[in-house]
Amino acid sequence: AQTVTQSQPEMSVQEAETVTLSCTYDTSESDYYLFWYKQPPSRQMILVIRQEAYKQQNATENRFSVNFQKAAKSFSLKISDSQLGDAAMYFCACGTSGTYKYIFGTGTRLKVLA
Amino acid sequence: NAGVMQNPRHLVRRRGQEARLRCSPMKGHSHVYWYRQLPEEGLKFMVYLQKENIIDESGMPKERFSAEFPKEGPSILRIQQVVRGDSAAYFCASSPDLLQLSGNTIYFGEGSWLTVV
Repeated sequence: AQTVTQSQPEMSVQEAETVTLSCTYDTSESDYYLFWYKQPPSRQMILVIRQEAYKQQNATENRFSVNFQKAAKSFSLKISDSQLGDAAMYFCACGTSGTYKYIFGTGTRLKVLA
Repeated sequence: NAGVMQNPRHLVRRRGQEARLRCSPMKGHSHVYWYRQLPEEGLKFMVYLQKENIIDESGMPKERFSAEFPKEGPSILRIQQVVRGDSAAYFCASSPDLLQLSGNTIYFGEGSWLTVV
């Protein structure tokens, strides 16, 4: 069975600074995907970034990047130049390739301080 | 992901009533998934449907919950005789025929918040 663990219930960052959110996972699958979703106060689920496990190169989307350590089963999210609009719950998720069952972590609440 | 439409956004029901949540997938998507988010938790898979077929309902509670995706119209998640523990956010997601075509990504709607009083 897959598990996803987010050990930081809450994090704070000063505006314009950089923050890293941690995520570890466990899976017996060899082909899988990892995701970070953002859930702002509006509660919608917004895909932030996606990583294919077979790719060694870390995914990057503008100010968002990941540090994917496959052997350690670690998938952290780095947010650079934090903005007030980044304040939200962030969920890490894992899905086996070709399937639809994502396993989600319990989330990290990010506060951005002006 | 704005293309996945869910309604109602907020629904209040008294204990024992029925709740019906609707989901229209993104244009061109024929696969629908329902997830539930209990307070202070991550999303958990409930059911996967294609048109007129339930493919996987392993995450659905055994009683009171049902889902359908008819040939015409939206997918519906139905909860009968609601209890306070059913209070949660219910998210619908959709994907194209081949999940690999979307990079294994399913696209979420904005969720429906059920409150049972």
